[in-house]
Amino acid sequence: DIQMTQSPSTLSASVGDRVSITCRASQSVDTLLAWYQQKPGKPPNLLVYKASTLQSGVPSRFNGSGSGTEFTLTISSLQPDDSATYHCQQYDTLTSFGQGTRLEIK
Amino acid sequence: QVQLQESGPGLVKPSETLSLTCTVSGDSFTYYVWSWIRQSPGKGFEWIGYIASSGHTSYNPSLKSRVTISQDLSRKQLSLQVRSVTAADAAVYYCARTGFSGYYVVDHWGQGTLVAVTS
Repeated sequence: DIQMTQSPSTLSASVGDRVSITCRASQSVDTLLAWYQQKPGKPPNLLVYKASTLQSGVPSRFNGSGSGTEFTLTISSLQPDDSATYHCQQYDTLTSFGQGTRLEIK
Repeated sequence: QVQLQESGPGLVKPSETLSLTCTVSGDSFTYYVWSWIRQSPGKGFEWIGYIASSGHTSYNPSLKSRVTISQDLSRKQLSLQVRSVTAADAAVYYCARTGFSGYYVVDHWGQGTLVAVTS
């Protein structure tokens, strides 16, 4: 099984800040990596797939990068609506998810 | 706009079978692959399995012996059965549309249904 590890587990930042969340895979997943945003009591929302392809309708302040075993989701200018938990998902070998990163707005 | 709605009992007794149904509206059912995914506080997201319009299924190896996913194309429904449930099967269960970028990337989720396992 491929293990996905996200860091940090919790992140607190201010509106306008640039923030980054890291996802590491226990073995290479090439670029078969997706990112989701989830708000409390709601299902996730797809942000990025294939490591860096922005899903239609997702604001351009979200950016995904990386390949192999290390990936990053960057929010260039944090907005109040970005308060959520972010999850990575590899889909190179079956699929597995990271444990989530909770992003709080100060 | 596609909508997915899970339904089924919110409470299941240990050793019994959990049965859920997902009804899809607003989109072609046969064009995509449909999955079940669950989320629990302790284990995060766990992919359960998927079914394609051909009827081909694929399951998480850790659950394969206890899980069946089926579909009713005429009703645009997919179903999930998990047999011999334990407390570890308590979770929010989501049905999900996949297939637009491989078999596992989800572009639409149901709202989820909470299943508790208790006697």
